[in-house]
Amino acid sequence: NAGVTQTPKFRILKIGQSMTLQCTQDMNHNYMYWYRQDPGMGLKLIYYSVGAGITDKGEVPNGYNVSRSTTEDFPLRLELAAPSQTSVYFCASLGEVYGYTFGSGTRLTVV
Amino acid sequence: EDQVTQSPEALRLQEGESSSLNCSYTVSGLRGLFWYRQDPGKGPEFLFTLYSAGEEKEKERLKATLTKKESFLHITAPKPEDSATYLCASQAGGATNKLIFGTGTLLAVQP
Repeated sequence: NAGVTQTPKFRILKIGQSMTLQCTQDMNHNYMYWYRQDPGMGLKLIYYSVGAGITDKGEVPNGYNVSRSTTEDFPLRLELAAPSQTSVYFCASLGEVYGYTFGSGTRLTVV
Repeated sequence: EDQVTQSPEALRLQEGESSSLNCSYTVSGLRGLFWYRQDPGKGPEFLFTLYSAGEEKEKERLKATLTKKESFLHITAPKPEDSATYLCASQAGGATNKLIFGTGTLLAVQP
């Protein structure tokens, strides 16, 4: 049982480039979330999904997009990367017993 | 506005020196109060969920308690392996089930 898997673990992007952060869970959870974590700022919600085909914005959605075509996958798309998007990104899914299960994170640097 | 505030920001303890971490929250219709542990370079790991004032939960050297405005994470006789960042998060009512995180307390336990 892998839980929540994120790829890649590290990435360096140049300003203006695009990329997709992958997130997959094998627990059949309906609710999935993308957070970013910046030093001293805590985790901030970017986007969330309550089930396949349904997504909505969180606190800090600008510059990002998501899709949820299956229960398992919830990719986060960065278009036109900016230095302000340098952060650590966490994907999470919500289960009944243990609340959120987090992936191990993607550390993104935009230069 | 829903908010979670953790204190202190950082705490240094000697091995065996017990202490408490504080989490103050303001949230409409608290559904749950979560505690997570985060090690460097990893995603948050679930510790406890508390649902109502007066509730307490324990796990090894950790005990979490909840009042109507605060939660405490008590650490009894800590060991160096307890060193980590401890995150508190509130879950409000509503369809999103999203968590609002505090900025965390960085705990260092010295041998």
